[in-house]
Amino acid sequence: RKEVEQDPGPFNVPEGATVAFNCTYSNSASQSFFWYRQDCRKEPKLLMSVYSSGNEDGRFTAQLNRASQYISLLIRDSKLSDSATYLCAVNIGNNDMRFGAGTRLTVKP
Amino acid sequence: EPEVTQTPSHQVTQMGQEVILRCVPISNHLYFYWYRQILGQKVEFLVSFYNNEISEKSEIFDDQFSVERPDGSNFTLKIRSTKLEDSAMYFCAKAGENTGELFFGEGSRLTVL
Repeated sequence: RKEVEQDPGPFNVPEGATVAFNCTYSNSASQSFFWYRQDCRKEPKLLMSVYSSGNEDGRFTAQLNRASQYISLLIRDSKLSDSATYLCAVNIGNNDMRFGAGTRLTVKP
Repeated sequence: EPEVTQTPSHQVTQMGQEVILRCVPISNHLYFYWYRQILGQKVEFLVSFYNNEISEKSEIFDDQFSVERPDGSNFTLKIRSTKLEDSAMYFCAKAGENTGELFFGEGSRLTVL
């Protein structure tokens, strides 16, 4: 089983749509969880941390289910500029971050 | 402005040559990381470096790889004898203020011919 698994997509959605990405991780001792955004041929950039209670940042909502070892990201009212690859990241300890392969999102006019 | 600066942005080299990739953090941090991303594939952990020593390393980080912080500022990744499969983007990252956050440099693209 892969350490971090994501649906690779691609997700093609119209502007204004709501889209959800899922991620599962295998290491139950994982300590912290994140979503990163990566534009084509650019570095990953931290989008948001994911907390057990769920957290929201504007149009973005992240959820964590430790029992199911599952993380999600919801994007509401998607915009053209949201087009990117979204990487799920899991800190397995000692600041050792493992990434999923990413889910590609394309928002179309 | 990125918190981590990497050079070179792109290097083309012949198979078997040595390559040194450099990373300069903007502020003084103790934890640094190298990751690589082969085109179209996921970001893979190579090594973490804490207080001038290797903290963790992956199975990818074999004897061909080494890291140093030669002058207390620059942080280098050396590949001793490059192979075709070393062609990738190499990202340096530093730890953020919160546990587990990483801030990446813009990457160095390595092309091995």
